[in-house]
Amino acid sequence: GAVVSQHPSWVICKSGTSVKIECRSLDFQATTMFWYRQFPKQSLMLMATSNEGSKATYEQGVEKDKFLINHASLTLSTLTVTSAHPEDSSFYICSARGAGSINQPQHFGDGTRLSIL
Amino acid sequence: GNSVTQMEGPVTLSEEAFLTINCTYTATGYPSLFWYVQYPGEGLQLLLKATKADDKGSNKGFEATYRKETTSFHLEKGSVQVSDSAVYFCALNAGNNRKLIWGLGTSLAVNP
Repeated sequence: GAVVSQHPSWVICKSGTSVKIECRSLDFQATTMFWYRQFPKQSLMLMATSNEGSKATYEQGVEKDKFLINHASLTLSTLTVTSAHPEDSSFYICSARGAGSINQPQHFGDGTRLSIL
Repeated sequence: GNSVTQMEGPVTLSEEAFLTINCTYTATGYPSLFWYVQYPGEGLQLLLKATKADDKGSNKGFEATYRKETTSFHLEKGSVQVSDSAVYFCALNAGNNRKLIWGLGTSLAVNP
């Protein structure tokens, strides 16, 4: 149980294009989803927290107009990297936490490797 | 503030060796503690967790005990396998929304 699917797993695109990454909880309802960015050989950096039906809460230093997050349903959140540039190339990972106790663990997708040319 | 400190890697062991990866934390309130594992090219998987002092989390031969007196949550395994080669992250949850606070990760390589 507690499977999170992230799509696509790998994307390459030209500078200036927008890229959408989907995160789905397959067998549970995710009231809260988290988006992370991971640089090579480094830990995860939390970008934003989204609760279903409300606006995402962004961490300090993360541009909300650059990284658009939508959490329209209890099983789907999307991250759109708008007008992507090479410095946005990274490994993006989503996680989801189900309803109930906020001490429940987060369940992670397999990540999306984004390469901007 | 809340923070997690874990031992730096890389850690290189021979198969069947004993593994310890140290993790200490600072936190306000009563956090839950987690170990996550990231295999090469994959996302993170929850390895084990503990929600209160003296709890022991265990999974796949790995164990960690929530020690409030030493603010530690060290990961141990009695006999590692090549398939355990991965990066291991210690984390705690904190704050009203229970965000995860991460350690920097420890890379483990197990040689046959």
